[in-house]
Amino acid sequence: AQKVTQAQTEISVVEKEDVTLDCVYETRDTTYYLFWYKQPPSGELVFLIRRNSFDEQNEISGRYSWNFQKSTSSFNFTITASQVVDSAVYFCALSEVPSGGYNKLIFGAGTRLAVHP
Amino acid sequence: DTEVTQTPKHLVMGMTNKKSLKCEQHMGHRAMYWYKQKAKKPPELMFVYSYEKLSINESVPSRFSPECPNSSLLNLHLHALQPEDSALYLCASSQENREGGELFFGEGSRLTVL
Repeated sequence: AQKVTQAQTEISVVEKEDVTLDCVYETRDTTYYLFWYKQPPSGELVFLIRRNSFDEQNEISGRYSWNFQKSTSSFNFTITASQVVDSAVYFCALSEVPSGGYNKLIFGAGTRLAVHP
Repeated sequence: DTEVTQTPKHLVMGMTNKKSLKCEQHMGHRAMYWYKQKAKKPPELMFVYSYEKLSINESVPSRFSPECPNSSLLNLHLHALQPEDSALYLCASSQENREGGELFFGEGSRLTVL
């Protein structure tokens, strides 16, 4: 069965600190996709990154970076020099590869990040 | 601004009411989704439509009835709901020909059942 574990329920940091959100996944598929979404208080889930199982390159986008390690089934997310606007709930998700033209996401429990001034 | 629009943003209804949630996207996506999210929990998949046909129903009670009138619209009809159905209902869409493609979510409709 597929599963996503985000062990950190809540993290609290002071502005400008670096913070890493952990994500561990389980799947028997050899082809799969991993995602990170941000959910601010407004409720919308904002897409941050998509990574397929064959691409283990780390990625950096501004203050955000992602570390994908198949050997440990982890896809961790680091925010460098955090800002108050980064306060939100962050979800890691895994998708199967169905044949029906849709994409079924399995979400982790989420990590609530609070960045204080 | 989100490209998936959901209305209404807030809805309060009694257990005997009939109401509908609406979702619209103009990105040309042919896969559309309804998710339910309770407070401090992750979103849970309810329904998936692909090419206007229902592809997944995650054993959702029949008091929730989805409808996909065309490729841009997705409705969720609500009838005889229970207070435990109070939640944030999120609509999403994705490109049907992009394997493992990301879902684009709306801001959700926050439902309260009295």
